[in-house]
Amino acid sequence: TAGITQAPTSQILAAGRSMTLRCTQDMRHNAMYWYRQDLGLGLRLIHYSNTAGTTGKGEVPDGYSVSRANTDDFPLTLASAVPSQTSVYFCASGTGERNEQFFGPGTRLTVL
Amino acid sequence: GQNIDQPTEMTATEGAIVQINCTYQTSGFNGLFWYQQHAGEAPTFLSYNVLDGLEEKGRFSSFLSRSKGYSYLLLKELQMKDSASYLCAVKDSNYQLIWGAGTKLIIKP
Repeated sequence: TAGITQAPTSQILAAGRSMTLRCTQDMRHNAMYWYRQDLGLGLRLIHYSNTAGTTGKGEVPDGYSVSRANTDDFPLTLASAVPSQTSVYFCASGTGERNEQFFGPGTRLTVL
Repeated sequence: GQNIDQPTEMTATEGAIVQINCTYQTSGFNGLFWYQQHAGEAPTFLSYNVLDGLEEKGRFSSFLSRSKGYSYLLLKELQMKDSASYLCAVKDSNYQLIWGAGTKLIIKP
């Protein structure tokens, strides 16, 4: 079982360009999440989706958008990248009463 | 505001025991998680506490006191592979996880 996959693994992006980070899970989990992880800070929630067809804003949603057309896929789009969006991005999925979250391998994004 | 506090870094010796503390102030409490994250990798689940007390799982144990807003992760018989960051996360009243910055654990031979 693949679990959660993310693509690309890493990317260097020019400021002002747009980009979509891909996330796919095969565990049929209802909930999915996008986090960013920066040195010295905890994981910060960007957007989440409790079930297919619904999305919500997390702690740091500005500059990002998501969609959840089906259970498996949860892409994150940066419409016009800025250097402060340089980070490691993790996608996660969760299920069950305690909502244990399972993480993808991450995407390392550098915006220049 | 919501806040999770953990020490930034700890050092321990192979074969010894180490305790990593986590204190939290959150809007509501619906459980506390500990995750392990090796450098350059994704976080992986270690333990979950929702009631007060100790949960033991092999070499790892996690303790929770809801009245004190406090948890600790206890690692016994330390091995070199335990060198990693340990992340404390609390599920708040909205059932979202609030994450601490993590504790980097360095194991020395």
